[in-house]
Amino acid sequence: ELKVEQNPLFLSMQEGKNYTIYCNYSTTSDRLYWYRQDPGKSLESLFVLLSNGAVKQEGRLMASLDTKARLSTLHITAAVHDLSATYFCAVDMYQGAQKLVFGQGTRLTINP
Amino acid sequence: GAVVSQHPSRVICKSGTSVKIECRSLDFQATTMFWYRQFPKQSLMLMATSNEGSKATYEQGVEKDKFLINHASLTLSTLTVTSAHPEDSSFYICSARMTEFNSPLHFGNGTRLTVT
Repeated sequence: ELKVEQNPLFLSMQEGKNYTIYCNYSTTSDRLYWYRQDPGKSLESLFVLLSNGAVKQEGRLMASLDTKARLSTLHITAAVHDLSATYFCAVDMYQGAQKLVFGQGTRLTINP
Repeated sequence: GAVVSQHPSRVICKSGTSVKIECRSLDFQATTMFWYRQFPKQSLMLMATSNEGSKATYEQGVEKDKFLINHASLTLSTLTVTSAHPEDSSFYICSARMTEFNSPLHFGNGTRLTVT
């Protein structure tokens, strides 16, 4: 059974600081996604990582994937308050059918 | 970009009644849609995979007779919560994937179900 674990689950940080969220998964997969969820809202797609060594950047967020280590990171640079949200990683797996398995989510709070 | 529309966004019903939630892919065809459930401050749990023209595939522990899924067309899947109870109160989110390989899941806006 595929397990997806995020670390940390809660993160409170100051504006302007850098930090990294980690996502580990337990079985082979080369497709990993990062999503953002604001309170009471649905999920917004941030990044699609499709191969080992993939790195994508959008604004202050950068995501990477190491399929050998089964690890993805979401790095936040010079955080701003607008980035406060819950971030989920999700891994594609095929178990009779293709489906997406989510990590627990990391609740990020950025304080002025 | 791809849009998934979910309706209603919020519903309150009494115990014992049934509620239908619709999920539509607006600008693409989706042979497969997924239904997730999210409890407050928790992650998304896959309930079932909805397949156009065939029976849905339910995850372990999900009661298929309670959560009826119908995927009658390439753009519409419905989830019916039958004989709802307060413990069914949750945030239900549908999603769909375009047919292009490795495209991400696109999510509907979710339905907040409250059973009184």
